[in-house]
Amino acid sequence: EPEVTQTPSHQVTQMGQEVILRCVPISNHLYFYWYRQILGQKVEFLVSFYNNEISEKSEIFDDQFSVERPDGSNFTLKIRSTKLEDSAMYFCASHLPGAETRSRTEKLFFGSGTQLSVL
Amino acid sequence: AQKITQTQPGMFVQEKEAVTLDCTYDTSDQSYGLFWYKQPSSGEMIFLIYQGSYDEQNATEGRYSLNFQKARKSANLVISASQLGDSAMYFCAMREGLTAAGNKLTFGGGTRVLVKP
Repeated sequence: EPEVTQTPSHQVTQMGQEVILRCVPISNHLYFYWYRQILGQKVEFLVSFYNNEISEKSEIFDDQFSVERPDGSNFTLKIRSTKLEDSAMYFCASHLPGAETRSRTEKLFFGSGTQLSVL
Repeated sequence: AQKITQTQPGMFVQEKEAVTLDCTYDTSDQSYGLFWYKQPSSGEMIFLIYQGSYDEQNATEGRYSLNFQKARKSANLVISASQLGDSAMYFCAMREGLTAAGNKLTFGGGTRVLVKP
């Protein structure tokens, strides 16, 4: 089965540094997402991306965050100046919208995540 | 109010037995989707099953079935014939609104399942 791939699996950075988390969504998918999960907490939506622009973002996704699809395959999340509270598992996901009630086409595929640790 | 509530923080289940994980949701939308994901200790999020609000039949995927009770706003996951590899965290999630608008999901707090041999 096709999968979403994320690199790196672990990233350690110093507070104030910029980090870029990389994702390769499934090739024919149209929607791309970033979610995050702080240790012991719920998975939270950050941003969705469609047709080369942000379609929706949460209040977490402030000016320190940006997303980009620089070519036809990669989807990146950049955090400009990391804070301690940015430490979390970051998940990329992709989705191919389908007919209203076709359950298999509604599957949101997640990558394995990037564990970001800000020191 | 919580949009997705999973009231069971943790459960033990005997190998080969069935287990039901509770999930209730809150939405005023007529069109929505409900998802269950499995998160093993390695951290990845594995899709298990999906139920659309207009689906008339309960969704099934192998050993997973979703007991969808729309009037009660519940979407419980049933895992039949539990295996040791089922030990993981399980998340219920909801997408509100039309399917074509994308899959912004709201997640519940999760239920940790430990399967005993």
